[in-house]
Order: sequence, then structure tokens, then C-alpha cells
Amino acid sequence: DMKVTQMPRYLIKRMGENVLLECGQDMSHETMYWYRQDPGLGLQLIYISYDVDSNSEGDIPKGYRVSRKKREHFSLILDSAKTNQTSVYFCASSFWGSSAETLYFGSGTRLTVL
Amino acid sequence: QQQVRQSPQSLTVWEGETAILNCSYEDSTFDYFPWYHQFPGESPALLIAIRPVSNKKEDGRFTIFFNKREKKFSLHIADSQPGDSATYFCAARTGGSNAKLTFGKGTKLSVKS
Repeated sequence: DMKVTQMPRYLIKRMGENVLLECGQDMSHETMYWYRQDPGLGLQLIYISYDVDSNSEGDIPKGYRVSRKKREHFSLILDSAKTNQTSVYFCASSFWGSSAETLYFGSGTRLTVL
Repeated sequence: QQQVRQSPQSLTVWEGETAILNCSYEDSTFDYFPWYHQFPGESPALLIAIRPVSNKKEDGRFTIFFNKREKKFSLHIADSQPGDSATYFCAARTGGSNAKLTFGKGTKLSVKS
């Protein structure tokens, strides 16, 4: 069973603090994503990783950076968090099968920046 | 920068009716168009997808209609059920070595019985 694990599920931080969101997958998928979800805005792409140390900016990378040192782990880092980064963050890994791509999403991290 | 536009923002239909959700795009390099659904409190999950070589893809009660010339695609949910109530996201994927999947803003579907 394909599984993407995100930690933590809930996180409260103060403005200016550093934030580390972690994501793991046990399927050896090469491509992984970080999205944020806000009401009415859908899923906005922050960063993509095509494999270890092969990362690319998405549509809203400002204020974020990522790290992927092992294929199974993909981290999202917020240096000096801002209140407008309060959101639900989803990590996903990508699998291609039968000419269809499936993104397997983690359960999300609800981040509140006070 | 919204590359995939989705409408309506919300939709209410009666049980048994066909729900129609619409999307459009601008980038001609998109080569794959999935729909995801998300139930309250859950993560998005793949529902159905289509490639531009086809203009229709069916999976049970769910059908994608694709119009490459007009750069539009839609999801039709036939015989809608209350259990179909969820938020539906269309998406589009660029091809090549730096492919990425971009989502629309979503349509919140409510099916009333």
C-alpha cells in the first residue's frame, strides 16, 4: 500500500521562527511535490523535486526552500515564518502506471503562524 | 499566475442529476489532465485523467470531455449521489524533464437528496 507520511499534523509557530515540515514515502518514487492549500485558492505548487538534490521552483516558491538528501524524504523549510504562510501544507509523491500519473498525498500539516 | 481556470466555484445538484465541472487552460505544452477529488478533512485523491490524444475518457459515472482546440475540458458526473459531495480539482501537467502539475482552484460540489 503506497503511503506518504507527513509530520507534524498540526504546528503553531510565532512569526520569525523557523519551520521544518517533513515528508516521507516508502515507494521509492523519484518525483515529489510540496503544495499549500488555502480556502478558495486550491492547491498551489511550492516546489518539486525530481530526485535527490534535483529540486525546482513551483509557482509560489518565495519564502520557502526545500531539501531532498534521500529519495524517501522531502523537507519544506520556512526561514523566519510569516503570518501569511499560515496554511495547510501537502506533500505528494508521483507514480506513473498504465500511462497515468497518480499523486499520492500525505495527510497534510496545518501550520499556524501567529 | 493561474494557468488552469476552473468553474463554477461551487455547484449544487439534486441526486440523480448530472453535475458538470469546467476547466480551461492557456499553455499548449500541457499534455496530461487529471481530476482529483477531496472530501472534507481528507487529502486529494486521483479520480480520472485524460491525455490530449483523446477527447473523451469514461470511468463509471465519471466522464472527461476534452476540447483541444478550445483548450477546455470538463468533468461530468452522471447520476450524482450524495456521496459525491466533495471539492473537485482539475489539473494540468507540462511534459518534459521539468514537468509539474498545476491545479485549478476547485469546485465544491454538493449533491442534495
